[in-house]
Amino acid sequence: SQQGEEDPQALSIQEGENATMNCSYKTSINNLQWYRQNSGRGLVHLILIRSNEREKHSGRLRVTLDTSKKSSSLLITASRAADTASYFCAYSGGYNKLIFGAGTRLAVHP
Amino acid sequence: GAGVSQSPSNKVTEKGKDVELRCDPISGHTALYWYRQSLGQGLEFLIYFQGNSAPDKSGLPSDRFSAERTGGSVSTLTIQRTQQEDSAVYLCASSPAKTSGGYEQYFGPGTRLTVT
Repeated sequence: SQQGEEDPQALSIQEGENATMNCSYKTSINNLQWYRQNSGRGLVHLILIRSNEREKHSGRLRVTLDTSKKSSSLLITASRAADTASYFCAYSGGYNKLIFGAGTRLAVHP
Repeated sequence: GAGVSQSPSNKVTEKGKDVELRCDPISGHTALYWYRQSLGQGLEFLIYFQGNSAPDKSGLPSDRFSAERTGGSVSTLTIQRTQQEDSAVYLCASSPAKTSGGYEQYFGPGTRLTVT
């Protein structure tokens, strides 16, 4: 299977703490993306990092990419209860489809 | 502006019936994708349309599944002779024309299909 792997599968933290999720993939990529999903429905795009980039920031989000290890991490700083969701990495080797990781379920407790 | 819309939001059907799921992409987006999300399988790519090019059907699980995109806009995913294993959330996404280095996809809210 080409599906990416994510860990941890589930993460439970307190508000204000940082949350780190990791993603590993199996093929060469053009870019890697992170998405958030609330309540098992539509996904919301968070951030895209290209294969020639090593780190990218967006607000409280920080993404790193290590193509030599075929891995990426998503860091959410100063987490809030509203960050509770499932987070998926997705990568593309070409332009036509995304291959998703299994996801990390994040619970942020007030 | 308007996002990707899908209808119906929920669909319950009996085993053996045919179903049609609809997706309205963001206006001007040339690429349209269908994905399926089921318990234990994660998110799976089904089919991809890009402009007037032949669609990439490599993710369709069987010949009971088909999709079309009319006029480069609205898309319909059809599942014939539904089976219980077809129960899942079907997600549609669209994206603008290809740009160097990749692009994000905009997802609809999904259609939850339950086959009884």
